[in-house]
This record gives sequence, structure tokens and C-alpha cells, in this order.
Amino acid sequence: GAVVSQHPSWVICKSGTSVKIECRSLDFQATTMFWYRQFPKQSLMLMATSNEGSKATYEQGVEKDKFLINHASLTLSTLTVTSAHPEDSSFYICSARDRVGQIYSPLHFGNGTRLTVT
Amino acid sequence: QKEVEQNSGPLSVPEGAIASLNCTYSDRGSQSFFWYRQYSGKSPELIMFIYSNGDKEDGRFTAQLNKASQYVSLLIRDSQPSDSATYLCAVTEWDAGGTSYGKLTFGQGTILTVHP
Repeated sequence: GAVVSQHPSWVICKSGTSVKIECRSLDFQATTMFWYRQFPKQSLMLMATSNEGSKATYEQGVEKDKFLINHASLTLSTLTVTSAHPEDSSFYICSARDRVGQIYSPLHFGNGTRLTVT
Repeated sequence: QKEVEQNSGPLSVPEGAIASLNCTYSDRGSQSFFWYRQYSGKSPELIMFIYSNGDKEDGRFTAQLNKASQYVSLLIRDSQPSDSATYLCAVTEWDAGGTSYGKLTFGQGTILTVHP
């Protein structure tokens, strides 16, 4: 089955620094990837849709200048949390779907990245 | 605003029993429905998806969809302690090109505990 790999699994950084999270589709090409965020004991919230070769589409309330998304290839999307603050501490999960003909698969999720900002 | 509602639980069932998880959604335009299982500290994993009204069975799992009532459920037969997790219901619109297919709206999840 389709595999989405996310790196790193966890990261601790100091307030004010930037952190980059990578999301790779290992055995399929993903023109679109999705970035979700999950706070403790809460559900997943879509942050943005990452489109290969074009600008990401951000959900309402998500700061595009703070959460930089780059989807430079069909297998890699990156999320950079710039000038991180403790309130950005969360579980970030990327996801992607593969396609056979015109049929899209359900979303496959990466293993997530636990970000802690001190 | 699109909403997906689940009873947060916890739902506790004995081993071997049937666990019934329920979900309602507000957007009548929703076309695709998913159940994900999430263990603590892990990312969600897909259990089942359903598009059409009625039942869909996969092993011990049965998804039930009633679009008229805007209701989707998941039944887990012969529940095992390893089924203990948070179960997330998710819905999406699905346009012809599938471009919105990944924009899932998740419920808050139901915590299921299966005790020996």
C-alpha cells in the first residue's frame, strides 16, 4: 500500500527558531499533500493543501508567512514553522493520496511530527 | 461551518462484545465518509471508507451510512483489547476531479476501551 514518510518524528526547538518537517510519498507520486495539526485531546485540523509546483492553499486562520509550505517535487512536501513559539507546540501530520486512473485513494497519513517549542 | 459530531466517550466494552461508534455530520454535500483509528501519540490509520448508503463490511468492521439522516456508524465485532484507541470519523466533499478529496473534516473522536 501507499506509504507516506514523515521526518523528523519529534523535535524540540527554542522559541524564535525555525523548524522544517519533511513529508515524502515513498511509492507513489502525490501532486497534492495535506498538512494537519492536532493539539492534545483534540481532533485533526487541516492547515493547508500543498500543491506540487504551485503555491499552497491555506485554511482560514492559518498564517501562511509563519507556516511555509514547499512542494517542489511529486514526492516531497515540506512544512517550515518559522519563528516558532510555545503555542506552536503540536502534533503535525502530513497526508497524501495516490491515484489509479481517475480513482483517488483515501488519505494516507505520515507518522507525524511532535513539535515542542521551549 | 461544516461539523462532524462524535460522542467523545470513553466507550467501554468487554472483550468479545460489539462496539458501536456513531457520527453525525452537518453538510448534506458530503459524499465520502471515513473511519480512522488513532493510538495515543500516533497518526491516524484508515479502517474503512464508505460512499453509498447501507452497510459495508470488512472483517470485524462494518460501516453503516444513512445520508438522509446524515449519520454514519462503525461496528466492531468481537472487540479485542488491541482495538482500544480513539476512533475518528471524517467526511469530505468529492468533486469530479477529486481536488477536495483530501480536505477531510474530522470529528473529535471517540475513545474506545476494550477490557479483558
